[in-house]
Amino acid sequence: QSALTQPPSVSGSPGQSVTISCTGTSSDVGGYNRVSWYQQPPGTAPKLMIYEVSNRPSGVPDRFSGSKSGNTASLTISGLQAEDEADYFCSSYASSSTYVFGTGTKVTVL
Amino acid sequence: QVQLVQSGAEVKKPGASVKISCKASGYTFTNYYIHWVRQAPGQGLEWMGIINPSGGSPTYAQKLQGRVTMTRDTSTSTVYMELSSLRSEDTAVYYCAREGSTYYYFDYWGQGTLVTVSS
Repeated sequence: QSALTQPPSVSGSPGQSVTISCTGTSSDVGGYNRVSWYQQPPGTAPKLMIYEVSNRPSGVPDRFSGSKSGNTASLTISGLQAEDEADYFCSSYASSSTYVFGTGTKVTVL
Repeated sequence: QVQLVQSGAEVKKPGASVKISCKASGYTFTNYYIHWVRQAPGQGLEWMGIINPSGGSPTYAQKLQGRVTMTRDTSTSTVYMELSSLRSEDTAVYYCAREGSTYYYFDYWGQGTLVTVSS
């Protein structure tokens, strides 16, 4: 199972929007609406930000939104804030009770 | 509140085995699957496998088949992950994570356990 492809880094100024892509195949991202996103500041455990493509857990700001088209899922952070600076990983169900993560994207707030 | 508390850091020699624990609290242990995920230094997340605390056979990542074993002890609400024939590439932080109530995502994570493999 190959890792999902994410851009290594994205950046934006405070208040701007950034979008992170997550590209897989029809066997994972494209085959199921079971994509989730995780935020990981340095030295900490990942935190769930989006599940089932576009659902936000309670407590996650509505600045975070998710979508999917074909084999590519996306996470958009609107109104970027300094506290959003972290690594972000996507994950997808990939059949037969297996999962795959993305390569990770570092978000930098300029 | 939901908590997953993992055992402490380990240093192992190549060829040895390591067994990490993940103790769950704050919810009904047998109602939620547990996954193991690892992260090599400066690298991304790698899914290792899933275990159903209610029973049944775990599912492991193909890459780790034959070297990884996941078990659980319902009396102590603890899951274990054992990795054998360790090599330097297994140096990583290992996380346990709970699968969410509507499945297919990880809603709570342990604090991580650093395993260092070095001669």
